[in-house]
Amino acid sequence: KNQVEQSPQSLIILEGKNCTLQCNYTVSPFSNLRWYKQDTGRGPVSLTIMTFSENTKSNGRYTATLDADTKQSSLHITASQLSDSASYICVVGDNYGQNFVFGPGTRLSVLP
Amino acid sequence: GAGVSQSPSNKVTEKGKDVELRCDPISGHTALYWYRQRLGQGLEFLIYFQGNSAPDKSGLPSDRFSAERTGESVSTLTIQRTQQEDSAVYLCASSLAEAGGPETQYFGPGTRLLVL
Repeated sequence: KNQVEQSPQSLIILEGKNCTLQCNYTVSPFSNLRWYKQDTGRGPVSLTIMTFSENTKSNGRYTATLDADTKQSSLHITASQLSDSASYICVVGDNYGQNFVFGPGTRLSVLP
Repeated sequence: GAGVSQSPSNKVTEKGKDVELRCDPISGHTALYWYRQRLGQGLEFLIYFQGNSAPDKSGLPSDRFSAERTGESVSTLTIQRTQQEDSAVYLCASSLAEAGGPETQYFGPGTRLLVL
């Protein structure tokens, strides 16, 4: 069964600290993996998109990694800001680009 | 417990017809979102309901799209006079929307709409 798991479920950190969010998947065949950021009451915003051949991609203070062998991805946030408080959703697409499996998300709260 | 459910799972319709998609959120979840995902594309936000507040309709692509939700229960997304470009997977998500914090969303399996 195709699944995407994320950990931790929720995370609280202090402003300025770094953090890493995890995503494990069993989707096969694999096509791409996306990380989204979603603020409360807003639509999700794409942070990174990675295909099978890419193992790291950065977007400002966000860096995503992908290990297609172990089927794991991480999202590292550097020097967190209060505006980073949001849900971070990992989404994995299959090889045909027709099916996307959504993780439950990680709730991040950045405190001053 | 039961997760978010959507119906139908698949829908094939002819251009110009109206369609209605249904979402049953997780019981007790006050927030409900509708998204669209075209083939090979990312999530496209459509509309957001929060309790009894006026919905955020900023993502609806045209006036052919409308959605309703009564209280904190079922929501329906209606597409009138469907066009071929409406073909997509329509996803629903719900969350607790606790005040003051970001929320974890739980997605339904989606309704795959094909407009011929």
